[in-house]
Amino acid sequence: GAVVSQHPSRVICKSGTSVKIECRSLDFQATTMFWYRQFPKQSLMLMATSNEGSKATYEQGVEKDKFLINHASLTLSTLTVTSAHPEDSSFYICSATDSHTEAFFGQGTRLTVV
Amino acid sequence: DAKTTQPPSMDCAEGRAANLPCNHSTISGNEYVYWYRQIHSQGPQYIIHGLKNNETNEMASLIITEDRKSSTLILPHATLRDTAVYYCIVNPFGNEKLTFGTGTRLTIIP
Repeated sequence: GAVVSQHPSRVICKSGTSVKIECRSLDFQATTMFWYRQFPKQSLMLMATSNEGSKATYEQGVEKDKFLINHASLTLSTLTVTSAHPEDSSFYICSATDSHTEAFFGQGTRLTVV
Repeated sequence: DAKTTQPPSMDCAEGRAANLPCNHSTISGNEYVYWYRQIHSQGPQYIIHGLKNNETNEMASLIITEDRKSSTLILPHATLRDTAVYYCIVNPFGNEKLTFGTGTRLTIIP
């Protein structure tokens, strides 16, 4: 299947700082990317939908000013967690699709805010 | 909200077939049945999808009932590496905004 790569796989940051997570589609052009968050022992929760060249659409309850999403090209979307706090510690996962096939997921980024 | 119901957990002996059920009684005519799995601390992995006919690929088989209200994912010869949480999702094809339920935690027993 297609390859979606996330970076970094793990990050630890201090409370109040910002963290950027990258999601890349390596062998296809991703017209749409999705960002999910997963807390321990829970399922994936969709945070936002990102379309190349336009503003992201956020799910209800997700703060757009805290979770900045940029989808500047057909192969890259970034999620920036601004002013991170310990409650933002979670497993962040992206998926990508070219709208003709099923979605492919990145390997996830485990964020720990201390 | 997830439109599927799955048992929370199942065990299967290594080498045997693992049969994972899923109920989706409110599925719409344009919605496909997708299966993904998530191995611990990794992103979900696509397994298979289907509309109304049974499907088979190198990973698994998908059996969908004639009324489309339920389906079964079959892993023909389960290995220890198949231990994961398996998610059954119904979604219109081409809309890859997936809503994950709680899934089934499948444990393969040596």
